[in-house]
Amino acid sequence: RKEVEQDPGPFNVPEGATVAFNCTYSNSASQSFFWYRQDCRKEPKLLMSVYSSGNEDGRFTAQLNRASQYISLLIRDSKLSDSATYLCVVRYSSASKIIFGSGTRLSIRP
Amino acid sequence: NAGVMQNPRHLVRRRGQEARLRCSPMKGHSHVYWYRQLPEEGLKFMVYLQKENIIDESGMPKERFSAEFPKEGPSILRIQQVVRGDSAAYFCASSPDWGVLDEQYFGPGTRLTVT
Repeated sequence: RKEVEQDPGPFNVPEGATVAFNCTYSNSASQSFFWYRQDCRKEPKLLMSVYSSGNEDGRFTAQLNRASQYISLLIRDSKLSDSATYLCVVRYSSASKIIFGSGTRLSIRP
Repeated sequence: NAGVMQNPRHLVRRRGQEARLRCSPMKGHSHVYWYRQLPEEGLKFMVYLQKENIIDESGMPKERFSAEFPKEGPSILRIQQVVRGDSAAYFCASSPDWGVLDEQYFGPGTRLTVT
């Protein structure tokens, strides 16, 4: 079983739709969680950290469920510019490696 | 404040040659991470370094690969005797010495092609 698993997609949704991704992790000792976005042939960029209480940044909402060991990302009112690959990232502790999921591809159509 | 810099951006090597990839972290960052991304695949952690120290190299292949982050100068990822399977994008990221260690800032990557 992979340490961090994501549905690879692609998710193909119309502009303005709401879309949600889930990501599961296997190590219950994981401490830090993030969503990154990666455009084609570009470097990943931090989208948002994921806190236990859940957090929102504009159209983006991230949730963490420690009991079920998954994190989610919700994008409301999707824009064409949201088309990218979304990477789920888990870290066990500040002195350890970071595990990236393989990414979920999102394509927003006009 | 310049971002994370990597050079070269593109590198072509013949099988058996050596590849040297350089990464200059953001100013004030002394934590550096190297990742490899194969075509159509996710990022794979390779190594985590602080100045002059390797903290975690659990993702590094046992042979031919090495990394360093000297007191002065950029971090170097060195691949000896490259093979076709080493062709990939290699990304470097850095994180600050203070505040949230976890947030990483990525460089633009070096695309290595082995012919």
